[in-house]
Amino acid sequence: DADVTQTPRNRITKTGKRIMLECSQTKGHDRMYWYRQDPGLGLRLIYYSFDVKDINKGEISDGYSVSRQAQAKFSLSLESAIPNQTALYFCATSDPTRGDNQPQHFGDGTRLSIL
Amino acid sequence: RKEVEQDPGPFNVPEGATVAFNCTYSNSASQSFFWYRQDCRKEPKLLMSVYSSGNEDGRFTAQLNRASQYISLLIRDSKLSDSATYLCVVNSLSSNTGKLIFGQGTTLQVKP
Repeated sequence: DADVTQTPRNRITKTGKRIMLECSQTKGHDRMYWYRQDPGLGLRLIYYSFDVKDINKGEISDGYSVSRQAQAKFSLSLESAIPNQTALYFCATSDPTRGDNQPQHFGDGTRLSIL
Repeated sequence: RKEVEQDPGPFNVPEGATVAFNCTYSNSASQSFFWYRQDCRKEPKLLMSVYSSGNEDGRFTAQLNRASQYISLLIRDSKLSDSATYLCVVNSLSSNTGKLIFGQGTTLQVKP
């Protein structure tokens, strides 16, 4: 089983709809991250969380919100989806108990298309 | 200037060739460096961390040059299965937060 699981894997929806992407992990890591990836732009950080009470905006948080329901779960919401939010979304985790600036471990990704 | 810059390529090489990628970073205070591999439309996977003294893992060698602020990845005896995008990753300007900055990636195509 994957250590970092994202659902759904693919989603097509319409402009204006509310969408939630979910991420769960079995690695026991405190830190979790949401990224989006667009062709030619690389990975950009949307939100990150260091524990269930600590949530921080990344470089492109506008139009997104998150919820850290438990150590193992971190969900990303698009309250009113727009076409330029069409992208590949990744959740990631890292383990600060081994020191800061550890590598991150990614889920399989969610391919989101907004029409 | 981007915080992490890579030549996007593509690098087209024959099987068995040696290929090297460079990556430059803008923040001289960066402490952690990684190379990730990403196959088409899949998740990035950690290939190797990059240490100050340089490190090797099989056919892969990573080097760090702090004075010039670049890291490199050398792949020897390229295999078809090495075809992928290689992401250069550096810890963010806000250190000790776990945040990483990803380069846009360098694409490698290994041909038979």
